[in-house]
Amino acid sequence: AQSVAQPEDQVNVAEGNPLTVKCTYSVSGNPYLFWYVQYPNRGLQFLLKYNTGDNLVKGSYGFEAEFNKSQTSFHLKKPSALVSDSALYFCAVRDGQTGANNLFFGTGTRLTVIP
Amino acid sequence: SAVISQKPSRDICQRGTSLTIQCQVDSQVTMMFWYRQQPGQSLTLIATANQGSEATYESGFVIDKFPISRPNLTFSTLTVSNMSPEDSSIYLCSVGGTHTGELFFGEGSRLTVL
Repeated sequence: AQSVAQPEDQVNVAEGNPLTVKCTYSVSGNPYLFWYVQYPNRGLQFLLKYNTGDNLVKGSYGFEAEFNKSQTSFHLKKPSALVSDSALYFCAVRDGQTGANNLFFGTGTRLTVIP
Repeated sequence: SAVISQKPSRDICQRGTSLTIQCQVDSQVTMMFWYRQQPGQSLTLIATANQGSEATYESGFVIDKFPISRPNLTFSTLTVSNMSPEDSSIYLCSVGGTHTGELFFGEGSRLTVL
């Protein structure tokens, strides 16, 4: 079975400071990991993904995520937060063993960047 | 990436009625996925819709409540039948190209059932 945990419902950070949104996962096979962002009254926008290769993945809008196999984590990071980054962030996983194409989503973390 | 259009974007419905949500994709795709996002919660997969076959429903979702059509490779509909206030959610259509790739989502259809 696959699962994703986002331990923080809410993250507050001051504008210009680095931000981290945490995600841990559990899968049977190789993990395929994703981050999405949802702005108010909008659908989900893809930010970045990890399949194989470099553990540090760079994505849209200056975001990056670090894959850590030993800690089964895939935390989202950005060196300098913008007020416009305030949104709902979802971590998602696909289990490489199941062969399914759909994604399993975490519960989401609301990021608020304070001016 | 794919461009996905959903209609309606939002609606207010009466208890006991049914509503059909349309999803149009700008390219041919094999699989389309319907997700539900209840207020303040994460996304839950309702079903996978393949063209030319019956949709595959996840545990807790049944065809009588959420009938799905997939008449061609660019279009699908999801009907929410006999609605109750508990069906108030955002319903999202999504598509994906490969097993390792990301899914692309429509803007969602926000339903409020009174």
